[in-house]
Amino acid sequence: GPKVLQIPSHQIIDMGQMVTLNCDPVSNHLYFYWYKQILGQQMEFLVNFYNGKVMEKSKLFKDQFSVERPDGSYFTLKIQPTALEDSAVYFCASSFIQGATEVFFGKGTRLTVV
Amino acid sequence: GDSVTQTEGPVTVSESESLIINCTYSATSIAYPNLFWYVRYPGEGLQLLLKVITAGQKGSSRGFEATYNKETTSFHLQKASVQESDSAVYYCALGLSSFSKLVFGQGTSLSVVP
Repeated sequence: GPKVLQIPSHQIIDMGQMVTLNCDPVSNHLYFYWYKQILGQQMEFLVNFYNGKVMEKSKLFKDQFSVERPDGSYFTLKIQPTALEDSAVYFCASSFIQGATEVFFGKGTRLTVV
Repeated sequence: GDSVTQTEGPVTVSESESLIINCTYSATSIAYPNLFWYVRYPGEGLQLLLKVITAGQKGSSRGFEATYNKETTSFHLQKASVQESDSAVYYCALGLSSFSKLVFGQGTSLSVVP
């Protein structure tokens, strides 16, 4: 079936540094998402993105976070600067249409901030 | 707010036994949310198991089924006879906004033993 690829699978970064998480969504999809899961907790919605714009974001999507998808390349989540509480698994997802009842997820990137 | 509560894991079941994973939800931002069960098999990304978008309807896939019960705000996952290959983490989720924002439960880890 359709695959969402996330690169890298695991990243370790020093607190205060910048990190970019990359996502290669399903090729014909138009809507993109990031979710965050802290160890032992629920997966939580961060942001969704369509046509070059953030459509909706949660309170977890701090000012230090940004997303973009330049020229149809990777859909990225950038955190600058990182904080210890940003340590989590970040899941990228995509869907084809608005209000889609099926959203496809990647395997996640485990971010460890030290 | 919007939330999902599901059976706390880990759950261990013997092969060919029946299974039920409870899921109850609270949806305050939308009257009729879409309801989903997602599954993560070991080493794989999250994938859709089944979905129901109409209250009172039942969804089924791979021998699993769940009924959207608006009166009890429940969406329990059931299977009559589990197999070892069903060992995975199962997530109940609400679909809320027109941009496919999902609210997840905490996940239930299932181990099926011979």
